[in-house]
Amino acid sequence: GAGVSQSPSNKVTEKGKDVELRCDPISGHTALYWYRQSLGQGLEFLIYFQGNSAPDKSGLPSDRFSAERTGGSVSTLTIQRTQQEDSAVYLCASSSTSGGARTDTQYFGPGTRLTVL
Amino acid sequence: RKEVEQDPGPFNVPEGATVAFNCTYSNSASQSFFWYRQDCRKEPKLLMSVYSSGNEDGRFTAQLNRASQYISLLIRDSKLSDSATYLCVVNRGGSNYKLTFGKGTLLTVNP
Repeated sequence: GAGVSQSPSNKVTEKGKDVELRCDPISGHTALYWYRQSLGQGLEFLIYFQGNSAPDKSGLPSDRFSAERTGGSVSTLTIQRTQQEDSAVYLCASSSTSGGARTDTQYFGPGTRLTVL
Repeated sequence: RKEVEQDPGPFNVPEGATVAFNCTYSNSASQSFFWYRQDCRKEPKLLMSVYSSGNEDGRFTAQLNRASQYISLLIRDSKLSDSATYLCVVNRGGSNYKLTFGKGTLLTVNP
């Protein structure tokens, strides 16, 4: 079946502009995650959605970052007033989580490469 | 101490070699451990979970030492296609969904 998809694959923007990044999780996956991977760095957790529960936003680096998940499926990560340090690959993942104690396998999308000039 | 630390490499080995990657984690409450593989400019993909008793999948063997908070990955008879960055991944203690990723170890297998 189809995997996690993200769009756009590349985004170049000017400092100060807002950007929206989209993620389509695997159909039926209730959990959705956003990560950021900067050059030479490990993946950094940003936000987690699980079903209808309140999202875990603890990883968002500033109030310029926000994310929504509509209808329990598609998610949009919005970065307002972009800064050069926001340049990174933004990765989305989804999992079919039971909500139990076990950590479920996360399946990643191809990412959106964001460049802020 | 960083949450997850790996030797950044790079590791350059000939085809057929055995190579081992090591990883340490700082949170003793962590319960889930994984190795992911990431090809250049691609997304990470799960290679294997790591179980307390150690586990093997073909040429790959993963081991966990909870007392030392240490995880390892052994690749035997390495292939050109094994060239990638290997990411050590640990769940954050107390969370079954927040993963902490190491920066990865770059492996290049040469003909």
